[in-house]
Amino acid sequence: NAGVMQNPRHLVRRRGQEARLRCSPMKGHSHVYWYRQLPEEGLKFMVYLQKENIIDESGMPKERFSAEFPKEGPSILRIQQVVRGDSAAYFCASSPPGEFSSDTQYFGPGTRLTVL
Amino acid sequence: AQSVAQPEDQVNVAEGNPLTVKCTYSVSGNPYLFWYVQYPNRGLQFLLKYITGDNLVKGSYGFEAEFNKSQTSFHLKKPSALVSDSALYFCAVRDISAGGFKTIFGAGTRLFVKA
Repeated sequence: NAGVMQNPRHLVRRRGQEARLRCSPMKGHSHVYWYRQLPEEGLKFMVYLQKENIIDESGMPKERFSAEFPKEGPSILRIQQVVRGDSAAYFCASSPPGEFSSDTQYFGPGTRLTVL
Repeated sequence: AQSVAQPEDQVNVAEGNPLTVKCTYSVSGNPYLFWYVQYPNRGLQFLLKYITGDNLVKGSYGFEAEFNKSQTSFHLKKPSALVSDSALYFCAVRDISAGGFKTIFGAGTRLFVKA
């Protein structure tokens, strides 16, 4: 059973470009979470999604950031018109359906975004 | 609002000695508590969690943590440290009374184990 997969592992963008980060959850998992980690800091919650639904996006910046988890395919975190402050590691985690409150989240290896 | 504090940025331990990484939390209801470890350029790996029951929780790689409700703490411990335990450790809390799905992470504690 493959773990959570994220691609690309490293992404370089120039200011103003778009960044698309992909996350494939573990098999059987229907909950996906996105986090951002700045250097030497902890993880900051961004968004929680289930298939075709955004459950909680309270951690998402109001502009330029969006996320989706379609019925088929990976979850996508999209950052439009990137700025240098968007440079960070973005981690995806997944958990199985059901009593999600106690479920362990399983993390992907992360995508390191660098904005030039 | 829920929060997690890891008061030590760094912990230094000699190999073979016991280690403790501290964590305190604040939630309005009952907490679910987690410890994760992060190695360089890797994602977080789950170590252990406290949901209910026995206050002493045993996890992966010989780690354990003790839930102390009165002190609102969930310190991570290991009786005998290994050099390979050197990594970044994160404590996390989920407030089940607040919906339960939003996890708050501490800032992390870097553990150095010297041979």
